[in-house]
Amino acid sequence: QSALTQPRSVSGSPGQSVTISCTGTSSDVGAYNFVSWYQQHPGKVPKLLISDVSKRPSGVPDRFSGSKSGNTASLTISGLQADDEADYYCCSYAGNSILVFGGGTKLTVL
Amino acid sequence: QLQLQESGPGLVKPSETLSLTCTVSGGSISSSSYYWGWIRQPPGKGLEWIGNIFYSGSTHYNPSLKSRVTISVETSKNQFSLKLSSVTAADTAVYYCARRRSYFYYMDVWGKGTTVTVSS
Repeated sequence: QSALTQPRSVSGSPGQSVTISCTGTSSDVGAYNFVSWYQQHPGKVPKLLISDVSKRPSGVPDRFSGSKSGNTASLTISGLQADDEADYYCCSYAGNSILVFGGGTKLTVL
Repeated sequence: QLQLQESGPGLVKPSETLSLTCTVSGGSISSSSYYWGWIRQPPGKGLEWIGNIFYSGSTHYNPSLKSRVTISVETSKNQFSLKLSSVTAADTAVYYCARRRSYFYYMDVWGKGTTVTVSS
């Protein structure tokens, strides 16, 4: 399994919206509705943001939303805040109980 | 509240075996509702899924690491462990243990992580 493809970096100003893409294949992202997203601040533990493509765990603001089209999943963050500046990782089920992560995207809040 | 804590040597010599343990507190590792797994993150790089285990001992591994990885569980101690053999500098990373729900494929509870450096 190859890592999912994410842009290395994205940026936006406070209050704006940004979207981070996560491209896989018909064997992982495209095949299953099991895409999750994690937020990781520098030196911190990854935190689950989105599960099952678009479900938000309790406590995650509704500014964070997920979607999927074909082999590409997306994480959209609306109303950008300074604290959103972090690394974001997607993860997909790839069959046979195997998981694969994306390479990560660094979000800069300008 | 469920907590996971990694433990083990912070320094391993090349060609030797890396061994880590994750202790689960605030819940039972023997629940049929969860799998228990390992994820690692090399310095400055992204996350890599290593594998996971069910309390019964059933395991699943990343194909790229499968030949070197063994994950085991000790239910009496509420712990599960990772062994990675024949390590090289490329195995230097922060190693996290995490919980995954059965029939779902996301990690909702993570340990704080432990840094393992491979060096002579």
